[in-house]
Amino acid sequence: GIQVEQSPPDLILQEGANSTLRCNFSDSVNNLQWFHQNPWGQLINLFYIPSGTKQNGRLSATTVATERYSLLYISSSQTTDSGVYFCAVKGAYNTDKLIFGTGTRLQVFP
Amino acid sequence: DAGVIQSPRHEVTEMGQEVTLRCKPISGHDYLFWYRQTMMRGLELLIYFNNNVPIDDSGMPEDRFSAKMPNASFSTLKIQPSEPRDSAVYFCASSPRQGAYEQYFGPGTRLTVT
Repeated sequence: GIQVEQSPPDLILQEGANSTLRCNFSDSVNNLQWFHQNPWGQLINLFYIPSGTKQNGRLSATTVATERYSLLYISSSQTTDSGVYFCAVKGAYNTDKLIFGTGTRLQVFP
Repeated sequence: DAGVIQSPRHEVTEMGQEVTLRCKPISGHDYLFWYRQTMMRGLELLIYFNNNVPIDDSGMPEDRFSAKMPNASFSTLKIQPSEPRDSAVYFCASSPRQGAYEQYFGPGTRLTVT
């Protein structure tokens, strides 16, 4: 099945810093989502981005489907950005399941 | 929209007891998914429904687990009998369509079996 790898596994930042999180996937996809799991455990939808670029405030994401990767950019990080960021994909040839990466754990310190 | 609603938010039970988790999907969504999250295994898809019909239950760990969707606005995940290794966070999610459509997750139920 399709493999999803995220990097880095852990990231520690000081408030105000910028960061880039990466998601690589092993096959063609027709759905890619970025989620933030906050310290209370809630999974929050950040972006639905099977291709192209989107921006929402301090966050933006880019997916290059032909090269099988997606990037999540966080600018001017805040302590509330702490948590785990997941990338999840659905294969273009098997759309039954959303396959999650193992996540990037982000800690932002004041 | 209120989003996906799950209850209870926390459940503590003793080994051997029956546990029922509940989910109300977003109105108008045709698909409903049950996931389990643990530190060891991450997020796992247990089962999903399309228009109230179970489509794929290959992720259900064993016969102690069962799921139903009696109507478009309600689903249950039951564990009977429960075991300590069932302790996890159980998420319900819904999407308007399979394939290229976005999934939305509920707040989860944290289950502890002692």
